[in-house]
Amino acid sequence: NAGVTQTPKFRILKIGQSMTLQCTQDMNHNYMYWYRQDPGMGLKLIYYSVGAGITDKGEVPNGYNVSRSTTEDFPLRLELAAPSQTSVYFCASRRWPSSYEQYFGPGTRLTVT
Amino acid sequence: KNEVEQSPQNLTAQEGEFITINCSYSVGISALHWLQQHPGGGIVSLFMLSSGKKKHGRLIATINIQEKHSSLHITASHPRDSAVYICAVEKGSGGGADGLTFGKGTHLIIQP
Repeated sequence: NAGVTQTPKFRILKIGQSMTLQCTQDMNHNYMYWYRQDPGMGLKLIYYSVGAGITDKGEVPNGYNVSRSTTEDFPLRLELAAPSQTSVYFCASRRWPSSYEQYFGPGTRLTVT
Repeated sequence: KNEVEQSPQNLTAQEGEFITINCSYSVGISALHWLQQHPGGGIVSLFMLSSGKKKHGRLIATINIQEKHSSLHITASHPRDSAVYICAVEKGSGGGADGLTFGKGTHLIIQP
């Protein structure tokens, strides 16, 4: 199993551009999450999904959108990128309720200039 | 004030030393997690606790629900233990959907 994969690993965007961060898991996990990690700060939850077709906002959803059309994929869309969205983005998944462990992807480092 | 506070922020120790990292939280929780973030950025889960104590190899995690406090201990520390250790909580009565609320992490360096 590849686990949780994210693409791209790095990206530089200009202000106002849009992009989609891809996240795929091959563990048949029902719950999936997007977090962002800013320097010196704890990770913060952007959006989460408890299953295909079901998504909800986390702590910091402004400027982002998500969709979950399949169990495997949970893309994060940035519309009109702003410098405040410069961060490292982590996707994670878990099988609820049978497992406590959240499996994290390797992260995407995004710079908006 | 952050809902999850860790101390110390940074810790440098010599190989072989006993390491303690502390985590305090100010909200009701259903579970507390300890995670490790490698220098390359990858994050792995170490423990989940809802009560008592857990041990895995040289790592021991404890939680005191009444005092809203958890500790992560590393025995016989080794340079490969150098990483950021992150405390995170699941708030509320459980359900798993809401993700985790994270502390800022403790940056640990073990010198040979």
